[in-house]
Amino acid sequence: GAGVSQSPSNKVTEKGKDVELRCDPISGHTALYWYRQSLGQGLEFLIYFQGNSAPDKSGLPSDRFSAERTGGSVSTLTIQRTQQEDSAVYLCASSLLFRPRDTEAFFGQGTRLTVV
Amino acid sequence: DQQVKQNSPSLSVQEGRISILNCDYTNSMFDYFLWYKKYPAEGPTFLISISSIKDKNEDGRFTVFLNKSAKHLSLHIVPSQPGDSAVYFCAASSIQGAQKLVFGQGTRLTINP
Repeated sequence: GAGVSQSPSNKVTEKGKDVELRCDPISGHTALYWYRQSLGQGLEFLIYFQGNSAPDKSGLPSDRFSAERTGGSVSTLTIQRTQQEDSAVYLCASSLLFRPRDTEAFFGQGTRLTVV
Repeated sequence: DQQVKQNSPSLSVQEGRISILNCDYTNSMFDYFLWYKKYPAEGPTFLISISSIKDKNEDGRFTVFLNKSAKHLSLHIVPSQPGDSAVYFCAASSIQGAQKLVFGQGTRLTINP
């Protein structure tokens, strides 16, 4: 497809388990972002990848969260030892250029994570 | 610390009337602002943006107004249509953190026929 694709759409996991969320950005987009939206909150920046540069991890809430982007394309967000407060919709976005003000960021439909 | 605030969780407007969605920010370093629209089970989509060097930007039925002294922006939709029913997010960025968008909590707009 032409858009940003995320999988799975929904994930229910037990507290303490690890989860992996996947994002396929639009082909050719060099910038990739992860955000999350907790209930009643706005989107919260997590991490940003731009080409081969070191990622901006400043938004990751704890060391249980990590992300990688292989080959400048697909990205995986991993949450280890999940906690109930990790329950949220995790959104991935990609853009042609690296600054949202210079180029439109396209979002995927999100992965709804529920930790029980 | 909520740097971008949308104080109205919901708004209901009659079809054909004007919808006004408000957004306040606290960080004076923000110099670029965007509005996103989100339908259920879909990702947000970009709607309109404004740079801090302007106080108004218009695109069809959508106009964004920026009041820098009040640290306030608003999105006007006129005339409102049923397809405009969605959640609207205000977002801001600064030169220093240009790759990050700081979002508000969103306002759910319902257009009544």
